[in-house]
Amino acid sequence: DQQVKQNSPSLSVQEGRISILNCDYTNSMFDYFLWYKKYPAEGPTFLISISSIKDKNEDGRFTVFLNKSAKHLSLHIVPSQPGDSAVYFCAARGENTGNQFYFGTGTSLTVIP
Amino acid sequence: DGGITQSPKYLFRKEGQNVTLSCEQNLNHDAMYWYRQDPGQGLRLIYYSQIVNDFQKGDIAEGYSVSREKKESFPLTVTSAQKNPTAFYLCASSPLAGVVYEQYFGPGTRLTVT
Repeated sequence: DQQVKQNSPSLSVQEGRISILNCDYTNSMFDYFLWYKKYPAEGPTFLISISSIKDKNEDGRFTVFLNKSAKHLSLHIVPSQPGDSAVYFCAARGENTGNQFYFGTGTSLTVIP
Repeated sequence: DGGITQSPKYLFRKEGQNVTLSCEQNLNHDAMYWYRQDPGQGLRLIYYSQIVNDFQKGDIAEGYSVSREKKESFPLTVTSAQKNPTAFYLCASSPLAGVVYEQYFGPGTRLTVT
């Protein structure tokens, strides 16, 4: 039972354009959401997070949007750079999950020079 | 400098053998986690621990065992009971149990069982 879903396994974007990665969740008790970036054969690295009390969080080229009513979050990367090519995972946790995080299946982003 | 160490990076074992994956952190984090990643799948939680000498099963704990005798160490044993042990294993830690912080991940161990 996948509580966090990333329905697009891959995405290709031209350098300089916007990349939009999407994530849906089913557990309405989730109150904290994170995005991770992962290169092959390496551990994920934290990118950006958002609390459920906010609908937007921005950090440089990265912005995460949260739509609680739709149980949907998205990561925007502007402008996209070739070094952004990686797999992106969204993750979520909530009060009823202890300190357990639930991860999506990932979206592989390719930024074309 | 601080971080999470997993060793070895690559591990090969024969079927029927138990194998222990090492995870050490010097970040002074309370919580530690083990995940498994298979091709085309997300990270699935095997076990996690929020304090020393206590741990909880994740979604796919069958065939695995852990211990948490020290705050900085959380080894994972893949037993012969694990039906499909070949995978990429990731260890993570987070600063405080019960407080929301991001998880920090180690570099991973690729286990191949033949």
